[in-house]
Formats: sequence, structure tokens, C-alpha cells
Amino acid sequence: GIQVEQSPPDLILQEGANSTLRCNFSDSVNNLQWFHQNPWGQLINLFYIPSGTKQNGRLSATTVATERYSLLYISSSQTTDSGVYFCAVDTPFAGNNRKLIWGLGTSLAVNP
Amino acid sequence: DADVTQTPRNRITKTGKRIMLECSQTKGHDRMYWYRQDPGLGLQLIYYSFDVKDINKGEISDGYSVSRQAQAKFSLSLESAIPNQTALYFCATSDFDEQFFGPGTRLTVL
Repeated sequence: GIQVEQSPPDLILQEGANSTLRCNFSDSVNNLQWFHQNPWGQLINLFYIPSGTKQNGRLSATTVATERYSLLYISSSQTTDSGVYFCAVDTPFAGNNRKLIWGLGTSLAVNP
Repeated sequence: DADVTQTPRNRITKTGKRIMLECSQTKGHDRMYWYRQDPGLGLQLIYYSFDVKDINKGEISDGYSVSRQAQAKFSLSLESAIPNQTALYFCATSDFDEQFFGPGTRLTVL
């Protein structure tokens, strides 16, 4: 089945720094989402981005479907950005067994 | 008001007890899902439903059952809870592709 790898697994930043998180996937995907899980466990949708580039405030994401990767950019990081960032993909070939395949996440800590 | 709600938000129970987790959504989506998350891991799919008459097992359905009472409601039951079912449980909905998650239920089985 499709594999999803995220890097780096852990990241520590000083407030104000920029960062890039990467998600590689092993096969064609119909859907790719980025989520932020905050320290209280809540999952927050960041981007639905099967291809192209999107921006939302200090966050932006780019998916290059032909090369099977996606990047999440965080600029001017804040302590509230801390948490785990997950990439999840959905294969177009799963038929009735369609589901999101999750990476293991990037754990981000932003220090004041 | 939140689009996807889960009750309870936290629950501590004992081995062998029956537990029901409830999920409601106001997004009008047909598709609903139940996931569990273990510490340090991504989410694993327990069950999913593409409409009221459609229920499908996910990758870790053993020990769980579900009920889709209406388009807006999808419940997860643990018939006889065991300690390794201690986890964070999420309900999600989708229209077709993008999934939206509830706030999660933290379940502890002693």
C-alpha cells in the first residue's frame, strides 16, 4: 500500500524563525491534507492540497503531485505553532476501501 | 458552534465495561469516520460510513462496533473495553475528499 513519510520527525525553533516540513508519498494520490495537532490533542485542518500552492496567513503549502511530495512552510513561527503536523493522503485506487493514510508527523516546538 | 462534536470529551472506565462514544455533525456530509490515535502515532481507521445504510470496517475494527443513527450521527461502541483500547478517538466527516475532525475523546480503560 501507499507509504507516507514525513521529515524531520522533530524540530525545535526559536520564535520568529521559518521552517519547512516535508511529506513524501509513494504513489499517486487523489487527496492530500495537512493537519496541526495542538498540545491539547485537537486536529486542525490546515490545507486540502492535492496539487498546487495555497497560502493561509503565515502558513503555505505546495504539493508537486508528479514528484510525489508536499511541503508545508511556516514563517515567523510563534509558540502557538507548537504541536504535531501531520500529512495524510488518500489513494484514488482503493475503491470501497478508501481511507486517509497518515504519516507519523513532525513534532514542532517553538521556544519563546 | 462546532461543526463536528464528540461526547464525552474524556472518559475513564474499567475493563469489561461497555462504552459508547457519540459523534454529531452539522456539516451535512454523508461520509463519517471513526479513528483512534495511540501516543506518538498517526490515526488508524476503525469504521467508516458513506451514508446511513452503508457501514464498512476499517483497519482496526476488532473489539468495536458502530451505529449510524442518522446522516448527522455516528456512534462508536466498545462492547467490553480492554486496557489496550486506551487512546484518543476522533470522529471525522467528509463531503468527498477533505475530512474534518471533531475535538476527540480521550478514553482510558483501567
